[in-house]
Amino acid sequence: EVQLVQSGAEVKKPGESLKISCKGSGYSFTNYWIGWVRQMPGKGLEWMGIIYPGDSDTRYSPSFQGQVTISADKSISTAYLQWSSLKASDTAMYYCARHVVSSRFGAFDPWGQGTLVTVSS
Amino acid sequence: EIVLTQSPGTLSLSPGERATLSCRASQSVSSYLAWYQQKPGQAPRLLIYGASSRATGIPDRFSASGSGTDFTLTISRLEPEDFAVYYCQRYGTSPQTFGQGTKVEIK
Repeated sequence: EVQLVQSGAEVKKPGESLKISCKGSGYSFTNYWIGWVRQMPGKGLEWMGIIYPGDSDTRYSPSFQGQVTISADKSISTAYLQWSSLKASDTAMYYCARHVVSSRFGAFDPWGQGTLVTVSS
Repeated sequence: EIVLTQSPGTLSLSPGERATLSCRASQSVSSYLAWYQQKPGQAPRLLIYGASSRATGIPDRFSASGSGTDFTLTISRLEPEDFAVYYCQRYGTSPQTFGQGTKVEIK
């Protein structure tokens, strides 16, 4: 079974750093793009970016370029989303999801269960 | 950046009725268009990819059509479990944006 399991909920203070993870299993991790999607409380889905774990080719949404870093460690089949300095406006649920096909142009399926990030002083 | 606009924002229908949701792109996205369903407290679920192909395990009451800039998701007869928020997404060149969503609620 193809599965993405995300790290647990985080509570952080503004200015702190954070790295959340997404571990893939049941498929060849290096051959499929993985993306990150933000959902702020009560709002819609926002595409943040994608990474190809095979060579770490990464594409960002202009809205998130420079605000977050997407990375992957193929040796442990894990993708990451990280912040160097969190803001209260980063409070959201973050989902990882895999492309349904082995292509940069793919819909997302499956999805991880989500990681809730709360940033508050 | 290509913008996806979904309409209506909210659709109030009764179980057994037909639901028709629209997604319009500001430029052609060819057939690189997906639809997702999201229920409260859950991750989104892929329903449709390639504008009209049902994902694995999706009931045939869900159908979709369109290409270029205008797309439609149809739920032929609403079941109680279909009341949710639906998003379209383009997945061609980056950024692979989502629409703002359509909420299908019980009338």
